[in-house]
Amino acid sequence: ETGVTQSPTHLIKTRGQQVTLRCSSQSGHNTVSWYQQALGQGPQFIFQYYREEENGRGNFPPRFSGLQFPNYSSELNVNALELDDSALYLCASSWGGPSTDTQYFGPGTRLTVL
Amino acid sequence: KQEVTQIPAALSVPEGENLVLNCSFTDSAIYNLQWFRQDPGKGLTSLLLIQSSQREQTSGRLNASLDKSSGRSTLYIAASQPGDSATYLCAVSSDNQGGKLIFGQGTELSVKP
Repeated sequence: ETGVTQSPTHLIKTRGQQVTLRCSSQSGHNTVSWYQQALGQGPQFIFQYYREEENGRGNFPPRFSGLQFPNYSSELNVNALELDDSALYLCASSWGGPSTDTQYFGPGTRLTVL
Repeated sequence: KQEVTQIPAALSVPEGENLVLNCSFTDSAIYNLQWFRQDPGKGLTSLLLIQSSQREQTSGRLNASLDKSSGRSTLYIAASQPGDSATYLCAVSSDNQGGKLIFGQGTELSVKP
């Protein structure tokens, strides 16, 4: 039991809308990473947060933004949704900082953009 | 730019067979390599992690090897079972920032009873 939860489980939006996805880590997990997984593909790194600060970003445009809160829960916000944003969004957390190898993945949020 | 490739994309085997999944990466300067399992519509479960200084790791019926110089890793599954059916992903970390993983596209494994 990893204890990483994500909400909502599924979400349907239309092109141009904005969406907020949430991730709740285990107590003490101070690092969270977000990934986008398109159908049939491996996950792609979006960004990482460590102690509420962004600590690295993948090749995603600025309309993908995030937050990490003092209780180490996290949000992924996507503005101006595009059809290609349809994917499974995964968060992964760890407790030892960015250099920790072991991460715990949540079950993901399935986003469909129509 | 690091790229990770997995072959085959899909594999179907009868129960009891031993099998090998392949992973290759273009830049040998990796920090570690991990193998994950993903069940349909679910998150990832870490199976094995190999540090760059290691050659292999074993867990139960699973054995993962790493050859950094050739940019290859294999995941060996012994005596496969229907419960092994899932997508297997390999991922590399290019520095000690463990959360920034670069994944392959996965191998979808089906083990038939």
